[in-house]
Amino acid sequence: KQEVTQIPAALSVPEGENLVLNCSFTDSAIYNLQWFRQDPGKGLTSLLLIQSSQREQTSGRLNASLDKSSGRSTLYIAASQPGDSATYLCAVSRTGNQFYFGTGTSLTVIP
Amino acid sequence: SAVISQKPSRDICQRGTSLTIQCQVDSQVTMMFWYRQQPGQSLTLIATANQGSEATYESGFVIDKFPISRPNLTFSTLTVSNMSPEDSSIYLCSANRGEETQYFGPGTRLLVL
Repeated sequence: KQEVTQIPAALSVPEGENLVLNCSFTDSAIYNLQWFRQDPGKGLTSLLLIQSSQREQTSGRLNASLDKSSGRSTLYIAASQPGDSATYLCAVSRTGNQFYFGTGTSLTVIP
Repeated sequence: SAVISQKPSRDICQRGTSLTIQCQVDSQVTMMFWYRQQPGQSLTLIATANQGSEATYESGFVIDKFPISRPNLTFSTLTVSNMSPEDSSIYLCSANRGEETQYFGPGTRLLVL
């Protein structure tokens, strides 16, 4: 069974810092990997989707990389802002449909 | 994109009762899913809601406990039956159009007393 781990579980940084969130998965036979953001009391917002054939995706200040062979992905957030405070979830899919989620990294950006 | 709404947004229920959660998507989607997020945990897939046929359940989840309907391409319901305090969770509906981004609803927060 696919297991997804995220490190660190919690992170607190001052505003303006660049930061990296890590995700690892045990089964490298994935179809795609998606990074989500979860805000308290709200659902999940998709940030970046990386297909298994891709190495990275970028959206604004966010950059996600994928190394399928080693079972790792990173989410890089540049110039962090207080509005980036949320829980970040990594999820992998074998088929493109059902996703296995990590336990998340709770990020706090201090003004 | 797809916008997903869920009803109710939250509820407090008594042990032994059942609750039906509705999920509405603003446009036709290919796949719809139901997830559970227990307190302090990440999301776990309950089942895939199949249009016009029985849902496909993940290991550890059964139809008698979590009956699911999907009468069309934009709507699905999840019922949590014979509830116990262990069912207290956030239940999330999600959808996609095949090989693309997964969209999620805001979740239904359930507390069982």
